Amino acid sequence: GAGVSQSPSNKVTEKGKDVELRCDPISGHTALYWYRQRLGQGLEFLIYFQGNSAPDKSGLPSDRFSAERTGESVSTLTIQRTQQEDSAVYLCASSLGLNTGELFFGEGSRLTVL
Amino acid sequence: KQEVTQIPAALSVPEGENLVLNCSFTDSAIYNLQWFRQDPGKGLTSLLLIQSSQREQTSGRLNASLDKSSGRSTLYIAASQPGDSATYLCAVRPDGNKLVFGAGTILRVKS
Repeated sequence: GAGVSQSPSNKVTEKGKDVELRCDPISGHTALYWYRQRLGQGLEFLIYFQGNSAPDKSGLPSDRFSAERTGESVSTLTIQRTQQEDSAVYLCASSLGLNTGELFFGEGSRLTVL
Repeated sequence: KQEVTQIPAALSVPEGENLVLNCSFTDSAIYNLQWFRQDPGKGLTSLLLIQSSQREQTSGRLNASLDKSSGRSTLYIAASQPGDSATYLCAVRPDGNKLVFGAGTILRVKS
């Protein structure tokens, strides 16, 4: 696609429910990143995928968070048993996968946990 | 651990002024540095990417410089316009995996 596409753009859920967030990277981009941005705060790295290599999961805050990626295409971020502190904007980015590559971000998925 | 600091945290200027946003990072071993803007409720828009071997990059009214040895970058905005109002984020790439972001500078350009 022309840009990084994320869905849903907004999600309101009740505490304890599971949610799935989707990211469709730019075509041909082998690297995909998930970041979280809480209200008024900076971006926190969550997870990184590069081609068929094992993902870097070092930023996932708890075992309630997981992410998958099918080949070099769509990725889903799953949050199980959501908590109020999970409320944030979840941003996805992709790049060509080189160390020197430029990152391009999607518009984000705003998650509100009631 | 790489840390990125942006100064000032917020800036308000009248339209037409030239301005400078500052970014500093603690570890000079980086692949590149990228400047973004973020409008309220939106994602990040890439403005400029400077590779570690480069000193500056220019795009229109924007100019970004990089002094890797001192751990500093500046984003210069010429002839500011109200449409430049946004949060400006600086991010460095210390390894191949991820960017480390600063907290951002909130810019308001008054008409």
